[in-house]
Amino acid sequence: GDSVTQMEGPVTLSEEAFLTINCTYTATGYPSLFWYVQYPGEGLQLLLKATKADDKGSNKGFEATYRKETTSFHLEKGSVQVSDSAVYFCALSVDSWGKLQFGAGTQVVVTP
Amino acid sequence: NAGVTQTPKFRVLKTGQSMTLLCAQDMNHEYMYWYRQDPGMGLRLIHYSVGEGTTAKGEVPDGYNVSRLKKQNFLLGLESAAPSQTSVYFCASRLGQGVETQYFGPGTRLLVL
Repeated sequence: GDSVTQMEGPVTLSEEAFLTINCTYTATGYPSLFWYVQYPGEGLQLLLKATKADDKGSNKGFEATYRKETTSFHLEKGSVQVSDSAVYFCALSVDSWGKLQFGAGTQVVVTP
Repeated sequence: NAGVTQTPKFRVLKTGQSMTLLCAQDMNHEYMYWYRQDPGMGLRLIHYSVGEGTTAKGEVPDGYNVSRLKKQNFLLGLESAAPSQTSVYFCASRLGQGVETQYFGPGTRLLVL
């Protein structure tokens, strides 16, 4: 079946460091790929998405490129801030009903 | 716009008790979803609805029932709660086919003793 694997956390970084969170997927069709972010005590928010191979999603300084050849959608940010501390979820959707398959989530902690 | 709201925010149940979680959205979205979030497992889909009066099973539907009598509301019921249903429950909604962004509520934390 469809699945998403992302790197385990927590990932602890200093402010202004470079962040990478790895995400790989398996899917029978041609999925859309998403990164959602969950700030403490809140629900999930869409961070960025990509709907076809080689698409790059970007938002708030975060970027991820849909790599079909490596079945990956790694999240990157060049210079993190304390306010980026959150749990990040990689997810995919393969059908028209929009059902999301999530990875386990990666907690990111940014220290001053 | 309140977006997606969930009631209650927190609840403690004893094994065997029943309860209903309410999700409401004011965005006129067609699709609605219920997920549960457990440590180390991400979110898993329980049930979903693609329109008023329709419901369908997701990945982990056992022990739950749902109803979508009004377009803006999606109810999740636990008929006989079990400790394995201790979790954080999130509702989400989406405008419809072709628009993929899901909007999530703040969650309901449920503890079953």
